[in-house]
Amino acid sequence: DAGVIQSPRHEVTEMGQEVTLRCKPISGHNSLFWYRQTMMRGLELLIYFNNNVPIDDSGMPEDRFSAKMPNASFSTLKIQPSEPRDSAVYFCASSVGRGLIRNTEAFFGQGTRLTVV
Amino acid sequence: DQQVKQNSPSLSVQEGRISILNCDYTNSMFDYFLWYKKYPAEGPTFLISISSIKDKNEDGRFTVFLNKSAKHLSLHIVPSQPGDSAVYFCAATPSGTASKLTFGTGTRLQVTL
Repeated sequence: DAGVIQSPRHEVTEMGQEVTLRCKPISGHNSLFWYRQTMMRGLELLIYFNNNVPIDDSGMPEDRFSAKMPNASFSTLKIQPSEPRDSAVYFCASSVGRGLIRNTEAFFGQGTRLTVV
Repeated sequence: DQQVKQNSPSLSVQEGRISILNCDYTNSMFDYFLWYKKYPAEGPTFLISISSIKDKNEDGRFTVFLNKSAKHLSLHIVPSQPGDSAVYFCAATPSGTASKLTFGTGTRLQVTL
């Protein structure tokens, strides 16, 4: 398996522009997570999907951020409009959930480094 | 409010010696703990985990210790190798949930020759 695939690897955009980050989870995984890494706050969970349904989006910073998972093999994280303080590395991760049995560990993609100028 | 804390941003250890990375948590609902390793320009990779029903879990050179009463866990690497140089993240998740992980801010380990 190729692992979790994220695109693009790097994104530089101007303030005010829309940014879309993409993620393909590992086949067969039914939980998907979007994390953001910054120097100050480390890795923060933004949103978590289970079976394509958003379960917890309490980590999404504000309305400028939205995430979708239209099917089991694809998710997007969109920022509109983008601001310089959104500059960070955004990671997607997936794992196997087995109902009440604890999930396996999450597998991370290589991340998208976003720079908003 | 940082629920998982790694108070040492960096650590330098000589090759062959023991590396000890520490992590504290505040949320009593956490009952499963993981360590991830991260190299530059890569995503974090799972290293080792421990359930709250245990106080120790060992995997080769890596051992995680959990002290529930102190809400403290540590990762021991023995012997340390240059390839262990990376950022180590401690993570925790509460009972009954999927792997919704709360991460610490990481500790950068440098293993010197």
